[in-house]
Amino acid sequence: AQRVTQPEKLLSVFKGAPVELKCNYSYSGSPELFWYVQYSRQRLQLLLRHISRESIKGFTADLNKGETSFHLKKPFAQEEDSAMYYCALRVGGGNKLTFGTGTQLKVEL
Amino acid sequence: DAGVTQSPTHLIKTRGQQVTLRCSPKSGHDTVSWYQQALGQGPQFIFQYYEEEERQRGNFPDRFSGHQFPNYSSELNVNALLLGDSALYLCASSFGQPNTGELFFGEGSRLTVL
Repeated sequence: AQRVTQPEKLLSVFKGAPVELKCNYSYSGSPELFWYVQYSRQRLQLLLRHISRESIKGFTADLNKGETSFHLKKPFAQEEDSAMYYCALRVGGGNKLTFGTGTQLKVEL
Repeated sequence: DAGVTQSPTHLIKTRGQQVTLRCSPKSGHDTVSWYQQALGQGPQFIFQYYEEEERQRGNFPDRFSGHQFPNYSSELNVNALLLGDSALYLCASSFGQPNTGELFFGEGSRLTVL
């Protein structure tokens, strides 16, 4: 069975500092990986997916199949980045996503 | 567009009772999925409905059942409630199968079982 691990429950950084939210997965095949974000008092929403290889709001994530990781990075944290971030994995084209437990990012001034 | 709407927002039940949660998908979406999110955990997939049929199911007992209506709205039913069923239940919608993996979530229904 597939599994997603986010080792940090809380990550606190200063504004302007680099951010790296860790995500590791276990699955022997070729999964699709996603980052979802939930800002305060907002709904859970998609931030980015590995297949599109985009930079969204300055965030990037590279799928490393050798290390089975999909870490989320941003070079300079902004106050508005404070949110709960969930890494998720999908196998097949349906809507079954396997989520990690989430990392609360707090950007301090 | 109101996006995904869920009702009720909060409800309290006692053990052994039954509950029905409702979801209307985002306009133009035809696929509805349900997730359970316990406190401090990520959402956990319950099942997905497309063309009024259950297409995928997570590791949940048969006490959890659902339905999708011709207008694409959906219901989640949970029978014989247990204390451990207390959680936030999220509905998510998307268009078509397969899809991009972008799910649009509702605000959830918070169920408390006493």
